[in-house]
Amino acid sequence: AQSVTQLDSQVPVFEEAPVELRCNYSSSVSVYLFWYVQYPNQGLQLLLKYLSGSTLVKGINGFEAEFNKSQTSFHLRKPSVHISDTAEYFCAVSVFNQGGKLIFGQGTELSVKP
Amino acid sequence: KAGVTQTPRYLIKTRGQQVTLSCSPISGHRSVSWYQQTPGQGLQFLFEYFSETQRNKGNFPGRFSGRQFSNSRSEMNVSTLELGDSALYLCASSFMWGADQETQYFGPGTRLLVL
Repeated sequence: AQSVTQLDSQVPVFEEAPVELRCNYSSSVSVYLFWYVQYPNQGLQLLLKYLSGSTLVKGINGFEAEFNKSQTSFHLRKPSVHISDTAEYFCAVSVFNQGGKLIFGQGTELSVKP
Repeated sequence: KAGVTQTPRYLIKTRGQQVTLSCSPISGHRSVSWYQQTPGQGLQFLFEYFSETQRNKGNFPGRFSGRQFSNSRSEMNVSTLELGDSALYLCASSFMWGADQETQYFGPGTRLLVL
């Protein structure tokens, strides 16, 4: 079975500071990795994904993530955050070739303060 | 290209009633998945439909069911509603081939309140 752990439930940062949201996963088979963002009262928006290839993945809104197979991690980073980045962020995995079943972490609430 | 649409956006029901939620996927997407989001349990997978067939199922009781139509639109039904069914229900669609395969795009959700 697969599982996803987001190591921080809340991350407060000041505007223009860098941020890292941590995600570790557990799986005995190959997985795809995703980060989604959820703004209040909205659905999930895809930030970025790792399917294969380069382990450094760039996404929307200046976010990037690095896949580390040996540490089974997929941490999300942004060098300089804005107030508008305040939202909840979810890391998720799906099993290779098993279609549309995402397993989510519990989420990290990013709060950007002026 | 229009995104995933879900109707209704908000719903209030009472215990014991049943409810049907609808999801229209992105044009060309043939896979539709459903998720339940609650503060306590987080985001949990309900089921996935592909070409009108249920392909994956999560760990939910039989009161939760779904179906997919030939145009890929999907509905989920919850019978005999319980207070604990109050949640945001999210639908996601994906295109199962090419570079974008396995990537799910979510709708805005239907917020269900059971009284």
